[in-house]
Amino acid sequence: GENVEQHPSTLSVQEGDSAVIKCTYSDSASNYFPWYKQELGKRPQLIIDIRSNVGEKKDQRIAVTLNKTAKHFSLHITETQPEDSAVYFCAATILYNNDMRFGAGTRLTVKP
Amino acid sequence: NAGVTQTPKFRVLKTGQSMTLLCAQDMNHEYMYWYRQDPGMGLRLIHYSVGEGTTAKGEVPDGYNVSRLKKQNFLLGLESAAPSQTSVYFCASVLNPGAGYTFGSGTRLTVV
Repeated sequence: GENVEQHPSTLSVQEGDSAVIKCTYSDSASNYFPWYKQELGKRPQLIIDIRSNVGEKKDQRIAVTLNKTAKHFSLHITETQPEDSAVYFCAATILYNNDMRFGAGTRLTVKP
Repeated sequence: NAGVTQTPKFRVLKTGQSMTLLCAQDMNHEYMYWYRQDPGMGLRLIHYSVGEGTTAKGEVPDGYNVSRLKKQNFLLGLESAAPSQTSVYFCASVLNPGAGYTFGSGTRLTVV
């Protein structure tokens, strides 16, 4: 099955700086890559996703890039704010396979 | 529109006891999933369902059973709880794969 590795496990940045979280996946057939944000004690919530037919996707301060050849994808957060502090999870799956695998998570802390 | 509702929110079980976790969604979603979340391991899929009356095993199904007798409900059962099943359990649903999952608020289960 798919194996997703996520780095770093913790990340601390100053407010206003950028943050980058990287994930690698093992199954070259995977074609859907969502990112979830989980605030302390809350449920995971989708923040952005990308399909394998696209190399990059942006939504305001967040963006995701995908390198299919290298089998890795990254989350980029620009102009970070304290409310960006949370655990971020990447995931990978083959659409309609229903076996989405998650990375272990990155705890992002944005210091004011 | 409540989204995805999980009950109970917290539970302490003794080793060997049984219990059922209930997940209910009011979004007419076909696909429903049960995940467990453990520190440093992200979210791991236990069982899932692609429609009423269907269930399938995920990554870590041992020790759990599920049922989907009604489209809106997905039940997770522990027949004989073990300390290794201490975890936070999340239910999720989606109308079609390729869209973001909607997660429930989680059930924190402790087995002593």
